[in-house]
Amino acid sequence: NAGVTQTPKFRILKIGQSMTLQCAQDMNHNYMYWYRQDPGMGLKLIYYSVGAGITDKGEVPNGYNVSRSTTEDFPLRLELAAPSQTSVYFCASSPTAETQYFGPGTRLLVL
Amino acid sequence: QKEVEQDPGPLSVPEGAIVSLNCTYSNSAFQYFMWYRQYSRKGPELLMYTYSSGNKEDGRFTAQVDKSSKYISLFIRDSQPSDSATYLCAMSPNSGGSNYKLTFGKGTLLTVNP
Repeated sequence: NAGVTQTPKFRILKIGQSMTLQCAQDMNHNYMYWYRQDPGMGLKLIYYSVGAGITDKGEVPNGYNVSRSTTEDFPLRLELAAPSQTSVYFCASSPTAETQYFGPGTRLLVL
Repeated sequence: QKEVEQDPGPLSVPEGAIVSLNCTYSNSAFQYFMWYRQYSRKGPELLMYTYSSGNKEDGRFTAQVDKSSKYISLFIRDSQPSDSATYLCAMSPNSGGSNYKLTFGKGTLLTVNP
């Protein structure tokens, strides 16, 4: 059981470039989430999904898009990267709200 | 007032000390309360969760919730250097389908010195 996996681990983007952060889970969880974590700022919810084909915005969705075509995968798309998107991105999945399992994170630097 | 307030520390204690970590919150709709531990450059991992008020114990860890004061605590007994990490509190309401959205505190950095 790999749990929640994220790729890449680290990426440098130039301003205006696009990229997709990959997230996969093998626990058959319906709920999946994307968070960003900035130093000293805690975790902010970007997007979440309650099942395949269903996604919704979280607290800070601007500049991001998601899709959920399968139960296992929940990619996060960054269009037109900006320095404000420099952060550590965590994907999580859960069978219930109080038991969210997090991936190892993707560190993104936008220059 | 922010929904969840957590003292960022840093907190430094000697090995064997009792550690108290706390969060306050303003949203009375919160019913689920969680503590996550995050080691440096790793993802958060769930330590404990409680529903509504009361205490919950798991080994050296005890979580307390006082809903009347909107205050939650995590106590670590006989702290070990391996407990050195950032501790995040998190909460969610119990209103139908929205209870899967967590609100996190900013985290408290704890260092346990050998």
